[in-house]
Amino acid sequence: GAGVSQSPSNKVTEKGKDVELRCDPISGHTALYWYRQSLGQGLEFLIYFQGNSAPDKSGLPSDRFSAERTGGSVSTLTIQRTQQEDSAVYLCASSYPPQTNTEAFFGQGTRLTVV
Amino acid sequence: QKEVEQDPGPLSVPEGAIVSLNCTYSNSAFQYFMWYRQYSRKGPELLMYTYSSGNKEDGRFTAQVDKSSKYISLFIRDSQPSDSATYLCAMSGASGGSYIPTFGRGTSLIVHP
Repeated sequence: GAGVSQSPSNKVTEKGKDVELRCDPISGHTALYWYRQSLGQGLEFLIYFQGNSAPDKSGLPSDRFSAERTGGSVSTLTIQRTQQEDSAVYLCASSYPPQTNTEAFFGQGTRLTVV
Repeated sequence: QKEVEQDPGPLSVPEGAIVSLNCTYSNSAFQYFMWYRQYSRKGPELLMYTYSSGNKEDGRFTAQVDKSSKYISLFIRDSQPSDSATYLCAMSGASGGSYIPTFGRGTSLIVHP
């Protein structure tokens, strides 16, 4: 597709379970971001990938959160032992060129509900 | 204090009104200033961006940046019901070589017919 694709669009999970969220960026975009958006809140930065550089993980809220990007394309965000406070919309974005990242294209998001 | 402050609203205006949306920030390293529009249950989409201080116009939308006051604005002329959405400001600057955007909370705008 032409845009950033995220799956699943909705995920309901039980507290304590692990979840994986997937992001397919726009082809050729070297930068990829994950953000989290809680109800009534802005976008909270989680992690940033740029080409083959080491990812910027400074926004990950705890060691239960991890992400990888395989082959410079698809990314997976994993949340282990989910908690109710993890409930949010998880947004993925990609951009090019990398120097300024001013035009980030977002996916529709994955709405995660932890019950 | 958050790096980027934005009043969440909601801001309700009649159709045809001029809308002013604003953000303040504290990080003087920010160089790029963006406005995103987000419809309900959709991802944000970039409306426009400006570099450093000044104005930029695109159709009914005008973005203004005042770096001396650390204040940015988005004006919407002749507002339409279809403009009803959440508007998020974002800004970025060199930090270790990356320009990761920092977002405000977003302002909910309602344009009623």
